[in-house]
Amino acid sequence: AQSVTQLDSQVPVFEEAPVELRCNYSSSVSVYLFWYVQYPNQGLQLLLKYLSGSTLVKSINGFEAEFNKSQTSFHLRKPSVHISDTAEYFCAVINTGTASKLTFGTGTRLQVML
Amino acid sequence: SQTIHQWPATLVQPVGSPLSLECTVEGTSNPNLYWYRQAAGRGLQLLFYSIGIDQISSEVPQNLSASRPQDRQFILSSKKLLLSDSGFYLCAWSTGQANTGELFFGEGSRLTVL
Repeated sequence: AQSVTQLDSQVPVFEEAPVELRCNYSSSVSVYLFWYVQYPNQGLQLLLKYLSGSTLVKSINGFEAEFNKSQTSFHLRKPSVHISDTAEYFCAVINTGTASKLTFGTGTRLQVML
Repeated sequence: SQTIHQWPATLVQPVGSPLSLECTVEGTSNPNLYWYRQAAGRGLQLLFYSIGIDQISSEVPQNLSASRPQDRQFILSSKKLLLSDSGFYLCAWSTGQANTGELFFGEGSRLTVL
């Protein structure tokens, strides 16, 4: 079975500063990886995903994540955050080629300050 | 395009009262359907998972139940609510075939049990 660890429950950062939200996973087989974002009182929205190919994936709003197989990580980064990026971010993993279900991390609350 | 809706958006119920949350998906056939709960300050907990009509798996023992009377309808119920049932409930769907694990979430239903 797979598992996901998001070590940081909260990350405060000033606007226009860079940010990294950490995600590590555990699995004995190959995986697909996802980052979801949840704004207050809303459902989760897919931010970006890694299925195959280039290990660096990007979202339309400036976030990017890099799949690192040797370190079993999928950290989320943004070079300059905006106040509107304040939200909860969830990392998720699923084993490929199986009937397994998506496993979520416990989430990281990104608080962007002026 | 596919859409997912769940209702009601907000619900305040006394302890011991019944519960019914509904979720419908449009624009796709034979989806996998999910109910998640998000308690305050905690991550996502998978409650129920369904791969077809009357095919429902319970992930966590509790006083909640789920039903799927139609292909694109998923209902979360309880006969008698507990205080611990309070939380943010999220319905989600994924493709039934060639499933990469990507989930599409509804807007959420906030339940407060008093």
